[in-house]
Amino acid sequence: QQQVKQSPQSLIVQKGGISIINCAYENTAFDYFPWYQQFPGKGPALLIAIRPDVSEKKEGRFTISFNKSAKQFSLHIMDSQPGDSATYFCAASNGSNTGKLIFGQGTTLQVKP
Amino acid sequence: AAGVIQSPRHLIKEKRETATLKCYPIPRHDTVYWYQQGPGQDPQFLISFYEKMQSDKGSIPDRFSAQQFSDYHSELNMSSLELGDSALYFCASSLTTRTEQYFGPGTRLTVT
Repeated sequence: QQQVKQSPQSLIVQKGGISIINCAYENTAFDYFPWYQQFPGKGPALLIAIRPDVSEKKEGRFTISFNKSAKQFSLHIMDSQPGDSATYFCAASNGSNTGKLIFGQGTTLQVKP
Repeated sequence: AAGVIQSPRHLIKEKRETATLKCYPIPRHDTVYWYQQGPGQDPQFLISFYEKMQSDKGSIPDRFSAQQFSDYHSELNMSSLELGDSALYFCASSLTTRTEQYFGPGTRLTVT
């Protein structure tokens, strides 16, 4: 059973547009929610992360919105660029254990010029 | 800034052979995680180490073993390889547990 559900599976956005990727979780013990960007054949690169004590975090063009009551969080990429074309993974970890990450299924983003 | 180093980057083995993957964490990071990523799939947690002790274990086959050494580097040993073991294997490191994990470039293992 997928503990972190991610949608959409794929996304096409025009250059300059906003890309939005959503994730939902069930385990209320999760207390750390990072987003990773992965290019083909490369390792996941940490983009931005949030903890449940805040509802939003922004770093440059990337924003995480977090809704604790709905157990959902999302990544917004503003002013999307062709170089943002990659696979994005949300993840979660349980604060009471060793920090292992549970990943969503991934979203393949294509930004058209 | 120094990143996680993994070696080898590519490895081709035959069925029933043995493979050893190495991971060198970011300096001063004492926690190492291993993940397996199949084609088109999300990374799956295998095993982790904190201060040279195994700290957690995921869906890792009994044919696999791992350890963390005194210099904090880690090795994943895989025996009796099967075709289904073909995947990308990532190592990630963090400055203690429950902090940001930084991934290495991965080792692509192909079993023929």
